[in-house]
Amino acid sequence: GAGVSQSPRYKVAKRGQDVALRCDPISGHVSLFWYQQALGQGPEFLTYFQNEAQLDKSGLPSDRFFAERPEGSVSTLKIQRTQQEDSAVYLCASRLVRESGGELFFGEGSRLTVL
Amino acid sequence: AQSVTQPDIHITVSEGASLELRCNYSYGATPYLFWYVQSPGQGLQLLLKYFSGDTLVQGIKGFEAEFKRSQSSFNLRKPSVHWSDAAEYFCAVGGLTGGGNKLTFGTGTQLKVEL
Repeated sequence: GAGVSQSPRYKVAKRGQDVALRCDPISGHVSLFWYQQALGQGPEFLTYFQNEAQLDKSGLPSDRFFAERPEGSVSTLKIQRTQQEDSAVYLCASRLVRESGGELFFGEGSRLTVL
Repeated sequence: AQSVTQPDIHITVSEGASLELRCNYSYGATPYLFWYVQSPGQGLQLLLKYFSGDTLVQGIKGFEAEFKRSQSSFNLRKPSVHWSDAAEYFCAVGGLTGGGNKLTFGTGTQLKVEL
């Protein structure tokens, strides 16, 4: 597609459920990022992939959060045993190049609400 | 650690008036600086970026920003605001080192435009 596509756009989960959020980056983009944006806040870094390699996962808030990009294209962010504090918009971004200066293209996000 | 401060949470301007949004950053080396705009329900869109060279950078939609190393600032400006500029604006910092592959965002400034 023309841009970064994320699904589902909206997800309501009961506390304790597992959720999976999908990101389809722009074709050919090497780098892929996941960010978490809480209400009224700026995006906060979660994790970064270069092709299929997860090079930085320092922003993942707990071991309940897991991300993968097995073939270097589509990525999935999985949250196990969701908690209310996980409620946020999860943004995916991709970048054509490895270098930091390249532009990040963001998807519209997946809004997760945990009841 | 890299950080970004956007001191103004909300700003209201009249259509046709000039605009300046403030951004201060902390980064241990030469920073890459970005301004993104986010409209409701939309992903973040890059307005402009600074890597090196001319400290006054031009972006899309008539926006510009000036990098001032001595003040650790990267303020966003527009000479005449249009009603369609109402959105949330995020400043971000990244770089070549110290986690340069990830951007650190400020908390954002919500811009309201009065007709």
